[in-house]
Amino acid sequence: GEDVEQSLFLSVREGDSSVINCTYTDSSSTYLYWYKQEPGAGLQLLTYIFSNMDMKQDQRLTVLLNKKDKHLSLRIADTQTGDSAIYFCAESSGGYNKLIFGAGTRLAVHP
Amino acid sequence: EPEVTQTPSHQVTQMGQEVILRCVPISNHLYFYWYRQILGQKVEFLVSFYNNEISEKSEIFDDQFSVERPDGSNFTLKIRSTKLEDSAMYFCASSGSTVLGEQFFGPGTRLTVL
Repeated sequence: GEDVEQSLFLSVREGDSSVINCTYTDSSSTYLYWYKQEPGAGLQLLTYIFSNMDMKQDQRLTVLLNKKDKHLSLRIADTQTGDSAIYFCAESSGGYNKLIFGAGTRLAVHP
Repeated sequence: EPEVTQTPSHQVTQMGQEVILRCVPISNHLYFYWYRQILGQKVEFLVSFYNNEISEKSEIFDDQFSVERPDGSNFTLKIRSTKLEDSAMYFCASSGSTVLGEQFFGPGTRLTVL
């Protein structure tokens, strides 16, 4: 069945780049998403990529997609303390766009 | 900026009791969803709702669960007879389009079943 896997924790120094990785199993995924969750808040869509793209850049965020390996990554340049949150990778299985989520990667940014 | 709201933020109930979780989606959205996240586990899809009917549901969404859009603004999730394993954070989401599929999530309701 459909599955999305992510590493659970990442710690980076402020100003460094963060790279959060994700793998998925559904080869029919059309859209792949990165959501951010801050404490006490809902899931906020950060960025997305269509499955026919390899890369998407949006300000400090770069999404890379390796469709052959079903690997997705999110790079955050110049990571700030405000970037500390849980980052969820998700894929759309089509239809009414039910989202399949990974377990989330907790990003901790330290001085 | 429009947002999805959910009430209550925390609900404590006894096993076997009925609970209703409430959501107010973004006003011009047409697609509505419920997800849940058991502590320490993944966010799981429960159900999607469009045009006043369920469009898709997961295996989790059994006969104990129901959804309703009673008045054109609220979207509710009812659990008829709660079990201990229903304890989780429940997220409501809404979407204006399935082309991009951007779903806007509420802050969640934490349900604790004792």
